[in-house]
Amino acid sequence: DTAVSQTPKYLVTQMGNDKSIKCEQNLGHDTMYWYKQDSKKFLKIMFSYNNKELIINETVPNRFSPKSPDKAHLNLHINSLELGDSAVYFCASSQEGTSGSIDFGPGTRLTVT
Amino acid sequence: AQSVAQPEDQVNVAEGNPLTVKCTYSVSGNPYLFWYVQYPNRGLQFLLKYITGDNLVKGSYGFEAEFNKSQTSFHLKKPSALVSDSALYFCAVRRGYQKVTFGTGTKLQVIP
Repeated sequence: DTAVSQTPKYLVTQMGNDKSIKCEQNLGHDTMYWYKQDSKKFLKIMFSYNNKELIINETVPNRFSPKSPDKAHLNLHINSLELGDSAVYFCASSQEGTSGSIDFGPGTRLTVT
Repeated sequence: AQSVAQPEDQVNVAEGNPLTVKCTYSVSGNPYLFWYVQYPNRGLQFLLKYITGDNLVKGSYGFEAEFNKSQTSFHLKKPSALVSDSALYFCAVRRGYQKVTFGTGTKLQVIP
């Protein structure tokens, strides 16, 4: 009964490859996010979707493409992976229009070699 | 624009002593303020939040935080630190429906 789940937990791949990370939430939230945590542990928002519509798109290379098939899922596809993409990627969700907190998934550690 | 500052990269405290992890914020209007904890190789876990009302907010694991509007601060506190409290702590701010902005994190090390 995990609230926000991500797969895979670890992802090791070579430069130039394309990879996807999947995320699902069972909290009934209408907003989902992707955050990137770098090696210094800084958290940076990448994207936010509300009811399947993109509402936040920070300055992220267009090699990163989020896809939300429904409001319970938000996947992240990354093309032509680069060394600098190595990080931990967190999916999260919240209910928009409330003062509620954001619920985070366990993270996906991406290592590009 | 909204921002959060966590001035200390690391806080060391002896087990059993009180701990404080500092956070200041900048936002126009009334803020929503949050504290999250991240244990090694884990996601962020919600600890507590301030929305309105009593300036002293109590949260999980015995943590509390004090909202100070005049100092624009929201420091995290615990009366008696445990070794198991050692983790990375993030303060976050949100105004209304704006996105949540996180601080840079403070590593808490509780020394046995």
